[in-house]
Amino acid sequence: SAVISQKPSRDICQRGTSLTIQCQVDSQVTMMFWYRQQPGQSLTLIATANQGSEATYESGFVIDKFPISRPNLTFSTLTVSNMSPEDSSIYLCSAQPRDTEAFFGQGTRLTVV
Amino acid sequence: GQNIDQPTEMTATEGAIVQINCTYQTSGFNGLFWYQQHAGEAPTFLSYNVLDGLEEKGRFSSFLSRSKGYSYLLLKELQMKDSASYLCAVRDSNYQLIWGAGTKLIIKP
Repeated sequence: SAVISQKPSRDICQRGTSLTIQCQVDSQVTMMFWYRQQPGQSLTLIATANQGSEATYESGFVIDKFPISRPNLTFSTLTVSNMSPEDSSIYLCSAQPRDTEAFFGQGTRLTVV
Repeated sequence: GQNIDQPTEMTATEGAIVQINCTYQTSGFNGLFWYQQHAGEAPTFLSYNVLDGLEEKGRFSSFLSRSKGYSYLLLKELQMKDSASYLCAVRDSNYQLIWGAGTKLIIKP
């Protein structure tokens, strides 16, 4: 199993600013994922972050808006840039060791005002 | 395209049994997962099926039929704390998880 520490747990930000969310895993994992979840809805994958390579973004998400870092096998960050109220959501990081289930951080509840 | 279908909402009575169905169409199959998510919290892992049949874990069981692209999660002896959303997810040929929209389960006394 893996334990993921995600921070901040919540934040209220001014529009036009940026927020960086951090996830620390207690073991080395190859694949990490960043999701967004609107209230009452399921998970939407933003991007896949593999160590040593550029993140792979899903349709509708771009690197300029959601830059991701993956400096080593236990850490990743997601930045939400130039925020607008539409970016208000819960952001979740996840690690998925190849042959096991996915583990999640506690989530970041972002409100943009 | 890839698609996972599950009911949007279900209601059941405390102490009863409920079955949440999930059907899927994905590019390859490397396992099916069920997660529980309480409001405002991250999803937590419940069960994993990769071969056909029933996997039992306490009050929760999960069934898989790969030929039918079908799974269900069975919850027995329902408790109020089981009120949550239940997410079905399939790992495709690229080992990426494809998520269903989730089923909100409401437990009534």
